[in-house]
Amino acid sequence: QKEVEQNSGPLSVPEGAIASLNCTYSDRGSQSFFWYRQYSGKSPELIMSIYSNGDKEDGRFTAQLNKASQYVSLLIRDSQPSDSATYLCAVRYNAGNMLTFGGGTRLMVKP
Amino acid sequence: NAGVMQNPRHLVRRRGQEARLRCSPVKGHSHVYWYRQLPEEGLKFMVYLQKENIIDESGMPKERFSAEFPKEGPSILRIQQVVRGDSAAYFCASSSGTTDTQYFGPGTRLTVL
Repeated sequence: QKEVEQNSGPLSVPEGAIASLNCTYSDRGSQSFFWYRQYSGKSPELIMSIYSNGDKEDGRFTAQLNKASQYVSLLIRDSQPSDSATYLCAVRYNAGNMLTFGGGTRLMVKP
Repeated sequence: NAGVMQNPRHLVRRRGQEARLRCSPVKGHSHVYWYRQLPEEGLKFMVYLQKENIIDESGMPKERFSAEFPKEGPSILRIQQVVRGDSAAYFCASSSGTTDTQYFGPGTRLTVL
């Protein structure tokens, strides 16, 4: 069974710090990786997608992918209280177009 | 551009009733996905549809659940004879192609009394 694992948290960081969120996946055939942010009671909102090994930066966000280690991470620089949310890692496998989600990591940024 | 639209946003049903959830994808998107999020749990894939076709329904419960995406009109997720365990948030997502990013709608929160 294909699995995506995340630490449920909560991960607590002070305002202005770097938040590091991690995700591992079980299937080496995975091709596409996504980070979504979900505020309580709201729908998932896409933050980043990454397809190749290495880093991808977009503003304060950096996604990192290491296919050999089956590991994908999200770094949030200069964390703000408004970044407090649950961050969902999602993986799309070769075989289909559905996304498999991790359970999410709850991030709390304290002022 | 309008994003994915879902209605109703909140739906209350008594056990044994039917629930119909509607999803209108982003204009120009022909791929629709339904996911369910049970309380305090992660998002789980249910079904993937293209116009008039079910492509993958491997995440759908075998009984009481059905989905369609007709040539005209929104995609419909139908739950017959609802039970309390069906209470969840149901999210629809759409994409423009098979490998493109999926964008999520606001969800329908179903409560079964």
